[in-house]
Amino acid sequence: DTGVSQDPRHKITKRGQNVTFRCDPISEHNRLYWYRQTLGQGPEFLTYFQNEAQLEKSRLLSDRFSAERPKGSFSTLEIQRTEQGDSAMYLCASSQTGQGVAPLHFGNGTRLTVT
Amino acid sequence: AQTVTQSQPEMSVQEAETVTLSCTYDTSESDYYLFWYKQPPSRQMILVIRQEAYKQQNATENRFSVNFQKAAKSFSLKISDSQLGDAAMYFCAYRSALKTSGSRLTFGEGTQLTVNP
Repeated sequence: DTGVSQDPRHKITKRGQNVTFRCDPISEHNRLYWYRQTLGQGPEFLTYFQNEAQLEKSRLLSDRFSAERPKGSFSTLEIQRTEQGDSAMYLCASSQTGQGVAPLHFGNGTRLTVT
Repeated sequence: AQTVTQSQPEMSVQEAETVTLSCTYDTSESDYYLFWYKQPPSRQMILVIRQEAYKQQNATENRFSVNFQKAAKSFSLKISDSQLGDAAMYFCAYRSALKTSGSRLTFGEGTQLTVNP
């Protein structure tokens, strides 16, 4: 169990540019979640996948955001035409269904700074 | 929609002492789960303790225990014999038991805990 890994750890981009983040969940986990965390706040849910199916999207996920999990393994989160308000920590988490109250396992996050 | 409130932005405790972090939540559901997560500086969030709403007995994990008051919708975390390594941001989180909820968590704003030597 190597844990949830996210890449990159930090990303600095100029307003208007596109960025893409990657998340590799724990290998046997079928659920994958994306959260956004701004400074001094708790994480806010963005979207989640069960296997390759995206089952829910938050209203926070504007049209500029898109997430994929094409083969039910790793996931990518893309932000198009970034805005300064997109600056945040983007957290990925995974869990396995069928284990009762399966806890979420979080990655270290990708910190995005939009200048 | 469910909400989670942590009314203490910051707390401090002396090493080896006991501290209690508060959390209240609002929900119309009768079955759900509650969690405390710990987020050390620049490190990943990890689960500290969890509680099933249908269980009356308060959960305990070593030095960590909860006081779950379902009627009051309160879920506080008690840390006994505080250690320097307990210093972190602590988040209270709610999860619906409905299968349609997808196991997503609703987090509170967090409480920054400082442990003084």
